[in-house]
Amino acid sequence: SQQGEEDPQALSIQEGENATMNCSYKTSINNLQWYRQNSGRGLVHLILIRSNEREKHSGRLRVTLDTSKKSSSLLITASRAADTASYFCAPDSGGYQKVTFGTGTKLQVIP
Amino acid sequence: GAVVSQHPSRVICKSGTSVKIECRSLDFQATTMFWYRQFPKQSLMLMATSNEGSKATYEQGVEKDKFLINHASLTLSTLTVTSAHPEDSSFYICSARAGLGDNEQFFGPGTRLTVL
Repeated sequence: SQQGEEDPQALSIQEGENATMNCSYKTSINNLQWYRQNSGRGLVHLILIRSNEREKHSGRLRVTLDTSKKSSSLLITASRAADTASYFCAPDSGGYQKVTFGTGTKLQVIP
Repeated sequence: GAVVSQHPSRVICKSGTSVKIECRSLDFQATTMFWYRQFPKQSLMLMATSNEGSKATYEQGVEKDKFLINHASLTLSTLTVTSAHPEDSSFYICSARAGLGDNEQFFGPGTRLTVL
């Protein structure tokens, strides 16, 4: 298994601004998944990007993947107060290995 | 997306009692389920990996006799915290994988355990 490391650890922005968070990992992957966790809740699956994809969109979310740099980014455009949460990445090396998590990026969107 | 439920969502118990938490995949069959624990302001820590019909694989430092995991069917896994103590108070989250396609992992809403 491997664990993604999110950066920055914390991010505070005004509502309407864009939020960018990054994820780095160590070994080759089949795909990489991004999750959101609101305080005291379980994780919500946001988006999955495969290793042969470079960019993927879902609503206000844009995810990029650079396998040469072993990194991914999650961009949230036109942020809302409801986007306030912790965001985690999960690089998946395939073979149905276990998934472990880093400390995440704690995003605060100020109304 | 796929739905995973957990029951109960919140439980308060006395020290020394055992607590069972259920994790169900509602609309897919989960070949693998994972149990995580999360302390306040910390990340999720993987406790164990559970495959249907076989014994769970525990992470280092997790007592398998204290945290009993049963994955008896493709839609249900249970975690029993035996002889719970206040230090076991935490947020327990399960997740499930279908083992197909992109192998996405779907999470339950979590169970808040408070041991008095």
